[in-house]
Amino acid sequence: GNSVTQMEGPVTLSEEAFLTINCTYTATGYPSLFWYVQYPGEGLQLLLKATKADDKGSNKGFEATYRKETTSFHLEKGSVQVSDSAVYFCALSQAGTALIFGKGTTLSVSS
Amino acid sequence: GAVVSQHPSRVICKSGTSVKIECRSLDFQATTMFWYRQFPKQSLMLMATSNEGSKATYEQGVEKDKFLINHASLTLSTLTVTSAHPEDSSFYICSARIGDYGYTFGSGTRLTVV
Repeated sequence: GNSVTQMEGPVTLSEEAFLTINCTYTATGYPSLFWYVQYPGEGLQLLLKATKADDKGSNKGFEATYRKETTSFHLEKGSVQVSDSAVYFCALSQAGTALIFGKGTTLSVSS
Repeated sequence: GAVVSQHPSRVICKSGTSVKIECRSLDFQATTMFWYRQFPKQSLMLMATSNEGSKATYEQGVEKDKFLINHASLTLSTLTVTSAHPEDSSFYICSARIGDYGYTFGSGTRLTVV
């Protein structure tokens, strides 16, 4: 079945450091890929998405490129801020079915 | 737009009682609603998919008699945890599909069974 694997956390960085959170997926066909963020005490928010191979999703300085050849959708940000501290979830969906989530990666940014 | 309102945000109930969680789509019609459960520091586990006017489809291992899902209208889906026990304590989140690639989420319900 479909699945998402993302790097274990927590990830601890200093402000302005470079961020990478790895995400790989297993799916038949061509899923849509997503990154969601969950701030402390809040619900899930869509961060970015890509619906086909080689698409790049971007938002708030975060980027991820849909790589079909490596079945990956790694999240990157060039300079993190304290306000980026949250849990990040990689997810996929196919044909409008329910999102399948990775286990989540906790990011902690210190000033 | 495309807001899902989920209530209550927190509920504490006694063991053996039932709890109902509501998700309402405020400005769109939600033909399909997904229900997830999130354990502390873990991912969201899909519990079931409900389509308006039909029976919910439950994921393997989810007790349909314990977690009753009703999707009687295009704007309301409910999850009732029946005869709740402490192991049912968790964070429950609903999600609606929007168009072909979008999803919106409720803010979640923290259930504590004492």
